Amino acid sequence: QVQLVESGGGLVKPGGSLRLSCAASGFTFSDYYMSWIRQAPGKGLEWVSYISSSGSTIYYADSVKGRFTISRDNAKNSLYLQMNSLRAEDTAVYYCARDSPPDYWGQGTLVTVSS
Amino acid sequence: EIVLTQSPATLSLSPGERATLSCRASQSVSSYLAWYQQKPGQAPRLLIYDASNRATGIPARFSGSGSGTDFTLTISSLEPEDFAVYYCQQRSNWPSTFGQGTRLEIK
Repeated sequence: QVQLVESGGGLVKPGGSLRLSCAASGFTFSDYYMSWIRQAPGKGLEWVSYISSSGSTIYYADSVKGRFTISRDNAKNSLYLQMNSLRAEDTAVYYCARDSPPDYWGQGTLVTVSS
Repeated sequence: EIVLTQSPATLSLSPGERATLSCRASQSVSSYLAWYQQKPGQAPRLLIYDASNRATGIPARFSGSGSGTDFTLTISSLEPEDFAVYYCQQRSNWPSTFGQGTRLEIK
């Protein structure tokens, strides 16, 4: 069965960095577009970034452009999100999802940006 | 950026009743609209994609309709497990956007 497992979240100070990972199984990872979507505590959903199956097409939300980098390793069935210059408003649960549209989601990993 | 406006914000109904949720887009999204259900502490679950197609394993009581700017999610007869928050999402233009959600609560 399809499984997506995120890791790498935690508490970080403003201006700090984190790298999120998403391990995929149960499907041919290299065939699918993938996305990162986040949800601030008690709030709605926000698309963060999107990467095509080969990695040749990438999009970012304006709120993270220039600070976050999405990447994938199809040989390792893994998706990544490098997050730099983190701000308090980046505090959220980060989900990886198989696209498009997102039909399978991971359980999420919590990122807390606070001093 | 395309803005999706969901109404009502909260819907109070009883099990067995029919639920009608609305999603309006600020510009046409063709049929590239999806609906999700989210329960507390859980990831969203895809219900409907491309406006009217049920996702795998979704019960027939869930249906979607609409195109262009106006969309509807209908739950024909509410089951106790259907009380949750529902989001619409468009993938017509990047950035993909979500509506603010409709909370479906037990009356």
